[in-house]
Amino acid sequence: RKEVEQDPGPFNVPEGATVAFNCTYSNSASQSFFWYRQDCRKEPKLLMSVYSSGNEDGRFTAQLNRASQYISLLIRDSKLSDSATYLCVVKDGTDKLIFGTGTRLQVFP
Amino acid sequence: DGGITQSPKYLFRKEGQNVTLSCEQNLNHDAMYWYRQDPGQGLRLIYYSQIVNDFQKGDIAEGYSVSREKKESFPLTVTSAQKNPTAFYLCASRLPGQEPYGYTFGSGTRLTVV
Repeated sequence: RKEVEQDPGPFNVPEGATVAFNCTYSNSASQSFFWYRQDCRKEPKLLMSVYSSGNEDGRFTAQLNRASQYISLLIRDSKLSDSATYLCVVKDGTDKLIFGTGTRLQVFP
Repeated sequence: DGGITQSPKYLFRKEGQNVTLSCEQNLNHDAMYWYRQDPGQGLRLIYYSQIVNDFQKGDIAEGYSVSREKKESFPLTVTSAQKNPTAFYLCASRLPGQEPYGYTFGSGTRLTVV
């Protein structure tokens, strides 16, 4: 079983749609959780951290369920510029980041 | 502006050659990391260093070597022992204690074996 698993994608959605990505992790001792965005042939960039209480940043909402070891990202009112690959990332107790394979999002006009 | 600089952006290697990828940061970060990304796969950790003159193997260290003689620099050498080196290589750094915003990536080096 992979340490971090994500929806395989790709997700093709029209502008204005709401889209949700899911992620599960296997190590219950994981300490920190993130969503990164990666554009084609570019480096990953931090989109947002994920907290147990849930957190929102504009059109983006992240949630964490420690009991189920499940992380989600919701994007509302999708824009063309949201097209990218979204990486679910977990930091284990040894200070290493474990990356999911990513979910590709394509927003069309 | 502070950041991480990776060079070169593109690198071509002949089979049997060793090549070194540069990673320099002026963020005063203690920890530095090397990741490899293959198409359709997540990033995999090659080596990491949490302090000068110390480094640890990651999940796929075979065929690679690193050094950390200066805080600012963490070069990665891809040796001839690495049988499938064609990939996108990413260097990252962080400053412990600045969670969660401490991880910064360089723009990557794309290595191709010819």
